[in-house]
Amino acid sequence: TQLLEQSPQFLSIQEGENLTVYCNSSSVFSSLQWYRQEPGEGPVLLVTVVTGGEVKKLKRLTFQFGDARKDSSLHITAAQTGDTGLYLCAGATGRRALTFGSGTRLQVQP
Amino acid sequence: GAVVSQHPSRVICKSGTSVKIECRSLDFQATTMFWYRQFPKQSLMLMATSNEGSKATYEQGVEKDKFLINHASLTLSTLTVTSAHPEDSSFYICSAQRGSSYNEQFFGPGTRLTVL
Repeated sequence: TQLLEQSPQFLSIQEGENLTVYCNSSSVFSSLQWYRQEPGEGPVLLVTVVTGGEVKKLKRLTFQFGDARKDSSLHITAAQTGDTGLYLCAGATGRRALTFGSGTRLQVQP
Repeated sequence: GAVVSQHPSRVICKSGTSVKIECRSLDFQATTMFWYRQFPKQSLMLMATSNEGSKATYEQGVEKDKFLINHASLTLSTLTVTSAHPEDSSFYICSAQRGSSYNEQFFGPGTRLTVL
């Protein structure tokens, strides 16, 4: 069974602060995706990383895929209240369905 | 592009009734769709994988007779919760895979089911 552990599970910060969310597994993934989900809505894809060591930037968000393709991180610079939500990582392996992480609930206070 | 819709967005029903939820890929064809269940403040739990023209593959612990899945076309999959009970109340989310890679899954907005 593939497991993706996310940490922290919950994070409450002030606007303007930086934060990092981690996604770790003992399994190797062919690619890893990050989603953000707001209450009562479906997850929205933020980024897909496919190459070990890859770094992708999306405005204030920086995503990194570990060299061994077992872990990933999401770093948010100068968080805004609009960043509030549930962040989910999901790993893909071959033709198997995505494995979702346990989720990180981020609350950015004004 | 890559828009997935779900209908209804919210449904309240009496215990014992059946509820059908539709998942449509609006601007692409999806040979594979997935159904997830999400409990409050938790991550997504995969229920089943739905392939067009064939039987769905259910995850361990998910009753196939309880959660009927039909993937009749490349743009539509339906989930029917049969004889719903209060414990079936949950947020149900579908996703549609574009292309042959599991890398590209796009999610619907979800359906909130409340069984009284």
